[in-house]
Formats: sequence, structure tokens, C-alpha cells
Amino acid sequence: GQQLNQSPQSMFIQEGEDVSMNCTSSSIFNTWLWYKQDPGEGPVLLIALYKAGELTSNGRLTAQFGITRKDSFLNISASIPSDVGIYFCAGRPLGGSQGNLIFGKGTKLSVKP
Amino acid sequence: DAMVIQNPRYQVTQFGKPVTLSCSQTLNHNVMYWYQQKSSQAPKLLFHYYDKDFNNEADTPDNFQSRRPNTSFCFLDIRSPGLGDAAMYLCATSKPGGPVVTQYFGPGTRLTVL
Repeated sequence: GQQLNQSPQSMFIQEGEDVSMNCTSSSIFNTWLWYKQDPGEGPVLLIALYKAGELTSNGRLTAQFGITRKDSFLNISASIPSDVGIYFCAGRPLGGSQGNLIFGKGTKLSVKP
Repeated sequence: DAMVIQNPRYQVTQFGKPVTLSCSQTLNHNVMYWYQQKSSQAPKLLFHYYDKDFNNEADTPDNFQSRRPNTSFCFLDIRSPGLGDAAMYLCATSKPGGPVVTQYFGPGTRLTVL
């Protein structure tokens, strides 16, 4: 089946540093979503992207829908300890069915105060 | 606040003893999903309802069933839980007509099988 390649798998950074993670696919996607999941909780939607080239911000978070429609990135600026968690990208392939949301394997972010 | 609610948050059951997890939503969304998530893995879709239309994923075991008695509620029934069914179970919703695939998740139910 279709897969998303999310990288890096994990990151250990110092508080205040910027963070960048990305997802790539082998096929065209028409939607990209970025979620954050804290331990023992459900994923929380951070940013949703629906058009190629779209650049959207949510506070210190910025995400972009790649022009090729096969990738997306998420940047976090000036990281703080509460940014710790697992970040998942998810996307809907072009022509995908209603329930067909493909998830990346996640990026585990650790922030040292 | 409109939200997706899951009960209980933690469920312990015995091997082979049926268990039901519940999900309710105040978002009035047409679509409801059930995912299984094991440690350090991405959520895996089990099935979803589009209104009353049930859609099962091809690799979802027969041991897993679902009911949606009305728009607001959806249940996940595990008929004979095995040790391998211990996981976090996530409910999510979405609303067609807009960005249909944007899914909103509940807090999850952590299932332990003894």
C-alpha cells in the first residue's frame, strides 16, 4: 500500500532551537495534515493544507504543501519544553477514498531545557 | 466546546472477555473512524462510518466489530480480545462537504488485556 516517509524519526534539541521535519510520498496527495500527539492522548490537529504551494502558520508552527504535491514540511521556531511529543504527518492520496488517510511513522521530539 | 469524547480512558479486560469502547461527538460530523495505535506506531484505521454506511478495512480482523446507533455515538466491540489487541484505540470524526479528510481525534482509550 501507499506509504509516507517521515523524517527524522526522532530529534533531540535544545530549548530555543528551530525544528524542521518533513514527509514525502511516492504519489500525489491532495491534502496534508500535521498532528501532535502527547503521551497517552489522541493526536491533535496542528495544521491542515489543501493546495500545492500553500504555506500556513499556527503560532510558532509553519507548514507547507510541496509544489510537487508529494511532500510537506513542518517547522517549529524557538522550541519550548511543551513542544515535546510525537508529530505525525498524514495525507490523502489523489483519488483516495473517504477514509483513506495515510499516516507517517512520526517524529519524536525531545527538548532539553 | 465541541469535541470527541471517548470512554473509558483506560480499560482492562481479560483474555477472551468481550469489551466495548465508546465514542461520542458533539461536532455533528457525518463520518466517524476507529483506529488502533500500538506503541511508537502510527494510528491504523480499522473501519469508518459515513453516516450509517459501514466501511471495513480489508485487514481488520473479524474480532473487531462496530456499531453506530446515531450520529453522535459509535462503539467498538472486541469480541474475544487477545494479548495482541492491547493498544490505544482512537476515535476520530470528519465532516464531508468541506475539507472532508480533516479528522479530529478523541483522547483515546488505552486497552490492557490480561
